[in-house]
Amino acid sequence: GQNIDQPTEMTATEGAIVQINCTYQTSGFNGLFWYQQHAGEAPTFLSYNVLDGLEEKGRFSSFLSRSKGYSYLLLKELQMKDSASYLCAALDSNYQLIWGAGTKLIIKP
Amino acid sequence: EAGVVQSPRYKIIEKKQPVAFWCNPISGHNTLYWYLQNLGQGPELLIRYENEEAVDDSQLPKDRFSAERLKGVDSTLKIQPAELGDSAVYLCASSPGLAGGHTDTQYFGPGTRLTVL
Repeated sequence: GQNIDQPTEMTATEGAIVQINCTYQTSGFNGLFWYQQHAGEAPTFLSYNVLDGLEEKGRFSSFLSRSKGYSYLLLKELQMKDSASYLCAALDSNYQLIWGAGTKLIIKP
Repeated sequence: EAGVVQSPRYKIIEKKQPVAFWCNPISGHNTLYWYLQNLGQGPELLIRYENEEAVDDSQLPKDRFSAERLKGVDSTLKIQPAELGDSAVYLCASSPGLAGGHTDTQYFGPGTRLTVL
């Protein structure tokens, strides 16, 4: 079966760095997305990786290892507004997005 | 540029009643998705349209759910009759539907929060 695993909840301190991990098992693979979702709001796109390596975009970076079925989202210089759920989603061989349940990130002052 | 528009934002109905949700995608986006999201879970695809054609409706409970996308722009999702378990957030998303590619980014609307009593 197809599966996405990510931690349910993480806590970090304002100004610090946090890494949210995601492992995936899909029928074929055509890339991995990270979305941010604030409570009561729609998911918003953060990043897309299809090749191995690190993609940096401001304070946020995303890493992919296709051989390990593994990705992480790295958030630097954490701000209170980064408190949200972070959804990992993998694109399978049918180009259907398989979604994880999301990681709720709590930022403390 | 306007984002994906959905209405209503909230809906409360009694079980066995019908309900309909409306979505207007980003202008020029050919692909439209309807998702269901329960609290603490990721979105679950209900149906995907390429223009006016439903290309993936395998997860749509067709005994009570129906959807249409006339003229390949706006879309409506209907539930009739609604059940208690249908309480959730219904998200609409759209993507450009780039020719020859399927990895285009999905952009989500604010969702409709449905409560069935």
